[in-house]
Amino acid sequence: NAGVTQTPKFQVLKTGQSMTLQCAQDMNHEYMSWYRQDPGMGLRLIHYSVGAGITDQGEVPNGYNVSRSTTEDFPLRLLSAAPSQTSVYFCASSYRGLDEKLFFGSGTQLSVL
Amino acid sequence: KQEVTQIPAALSVPEGENLVLNCSFTDSAIYNLQWFRQDPGKGLTSLLLIQSSQREQTSGRLNASLDKSSGRSTLYIAASQPGDSATYLCAAQNTGGFKTIFGAGTRLFVKA
Repeated sequence: NAGVTQTPKFQVLKTGQSMTLQCAQDMNHEYMSWYRQDPGMGLRLIHYSVGAGITDQGEVPNGYNVSRSTTEDFPLRLLSAAPSQTSVYFCASSYRGLDEKLFFGSGTQLSVL
Repeated sequence: KQEVTQIPAALSVPEGENLVLNCSFTDSAIYNLQWFRQDPGKGLTSLLLIQSSQREQTSGRLNASLDKSSGRSTLYIAASQPGDSATYLCAAQNTGGFKTIFGAGTRLFVKA
């Protein structure tokens, strides 16, 4: 009953460092996505994928990279962390991405100093 | 561009009260409207999904309605309980793509 698993749960970075947030799902979902949640602003879509090898940009893609080499995994890469990227990051998935409930991971709290 | 707004931002009610949470959206070309619950420090859990052809969905004490023409959805919670205390978010999925746009949420506190 793992569902959507995100690692790590907490991370502190210095400005300019890079890192990868991991997301894995075991529900054979084609659609996976990354959101960031900031106080008072709700969740904003960063990138999404509709299947292995297919990714597209969301509302706030700058400063983030993604790739989808397998159905199960959808990592989010911060190339050069900035304080503006301090946020809580959520990964979400659904079977095919259209007209279906979204399943969320428990989030990664990232602080960039 | 789709914008989703939730009012009020916070709400405090006594236990047992029936309550309504509001969600409005600017673009009526949507596949669905989805309501989520988020507990502090946790991820989101989908409560109800209303497809564009539907008017409402019910699950237990929860009832969600959708009026595309007016750009509004409501989440009705009957006989509220302290365990209902959480943040409730609504989200609209636009037609023509895979993007789901979220409101900022309503933080609900049910007093025992």
